[in-house]
Amino acid sequence: GALVYQYPRRTICKSGTSMRMECQAVGFQATSVAWYRQSPQKTFELIALSTVNSAIKYEQNFTQEKFPISHPNLSFSSMTVLNAYLEDRGLYLCGAGTGGGTLYFGSGTRLTVL
Amino acid sequence: GDSVTQTEGPVTLSEGTSLTVNCSYETKQYPTLFWYVQYPGEGPQLLFKVPKANEKGSSRGFEATYNKEATSFHLQKASVQESDSAVYYCALSKGGYQNFYFGKGTSLTVIP
Repeated sequence: GALVYQYPRRTICKSGTSMRMECQAVGFQATSVAWYRQSPQKTFELIALSTVNSAIKYEQNFTQEKFPISHPNLSFSSMTVLNAYLEDRGLYLCGAGTGGGTLYFGSGTRLTVL
Repeated sequence: GDSVTQTEGPVTLSEGTSLTVNCSYETKQYPTLFWYVQYPGEGPQLLFKVPKANEKGSSRGFEATYNKEATSFHLQKASVQESDSAVYYCALSKGGYQNFYFGKGTSLTVIP
């Protein structure tokens, strides 16, 4: 079956520092990876969509300068949160797509900023 | 615009009772409809999806019918169990992951 591993599960960083999270698709080819942030109220915000061999498309309010993403092959993607501050706290989710229209999610990386 | 609206939670049920979580969607195109379930500390898991109108999806005793006329995709289960306690999300995709829309989620707690 389609599995998505995301790590670390939890991370704590000091305000102004950066942290990187990784996403690995197992059992299928992740032609697209969507990075989301889930708020404490449980709503999903799409940060960006990365499709192999295409430019990464960021949503309004999210920029490459703040959330650089790498998607070098069909099984791996990473995203960094640069200069993290309190408002960046939340659960970051990686959703990997096969091209069939379904997103498979990892367990998420919970970011705490001190 | 495109949107998904679902039952506001939280919902609390006793084990063995029936569940309905309403989901309505708005879009000008013909979407694929999804139900995801998120357990505490985990990411959303696909429960099932239905790509075509008037078809039904089901998994683990949950089911939903894609009703194009009513633009609805209500989730039902005849008899819930404590292990069904989770947050349920209705979602639609118009094709292309940029056009993937989630509802706000419905938190379900099942008490024994």
